[in-house]
Amino acid sequence: DTAVSQTPKYLVTQMGNDKSIKCEQNLGHDTMYWYKQDSKKFLKIMFSYNNKELIINETVPNRFSPKSPDKAHLNLHINSLELGDSAVYFCASSPSGAYTGELFFGEGSRLTVL
Amino acid sequence: AQSVSQHNHHVILSEAASLELGCNYSYGGTVNLFWYVQYPGQHLQLLLKYFSGDPLVKGIKGFEAEFIKSKFSFNLRKPSVQWSDTAEYFCAVQANQAGTALIFGKGTTLSVSS
Repeated sequence: DTAVSQTPKYLVTQMGNDKSIKCEQNLGHDTMYWYKQDSKKFLKIMFSYNNKELIINETVPNRFSPKSPDKAHLNLHINSLELGDSAVYFCASSPSGAYTGELFFGEGSRLTVL
Repeated sequence: AQSVSQHNHHVILSEAASLELGCNYSYGGTVNLFWYVQYPGQHLQLLLKYFSGDPLVKGIKGFEAEFIKSKFSFNLRKPSVQWSDTAEYFCAVQANQAGTALIFGKGTTLSVSS
């Protein structure tokens, strides 16, 4: 069983389109994250949700909107896609509360905007 | 806010050579420190982590790292690399507070020739 799973793994789309990436974790964790890895492999935190509540929102354009229907899911919706949105998006999860530490990552979703 | 600096962008070694990858962080409080590895086409996996205690931590696949608080450093080492160690290596720091995200360095590409 995959602990953190993302769909789709690959996504090719045109500028201006709207797309979503889904993430699910079966680890029973309370906290989930979205990271963006650019073409230079730099990983940057975008969002974090703890038990469906947004707790981290870095300086990300408003075109990006995370949605957490329950604590096992954190989806990323992107409106009006731009060339610069091309990247690999990683979902991750971790336990929360008093625990701090390791994140468990999904396999990534490679988004290509043409 | 935390930040992480990895000094080596690309390291090229022959098999059996020793490895040391530099990592320095910036943060005034208590931190947790991590090294992650990303093999070609795969997701990030945890190599090792430091929370407290013995500053020399051992991870998987023969890797170790030493936390030197006075230097704000957490360098990764391996006495003898193998071709299969070819990968991207990421150092990460996390403020020791519940629910905080990992902040990653820009990564080091390790290429090992057989």
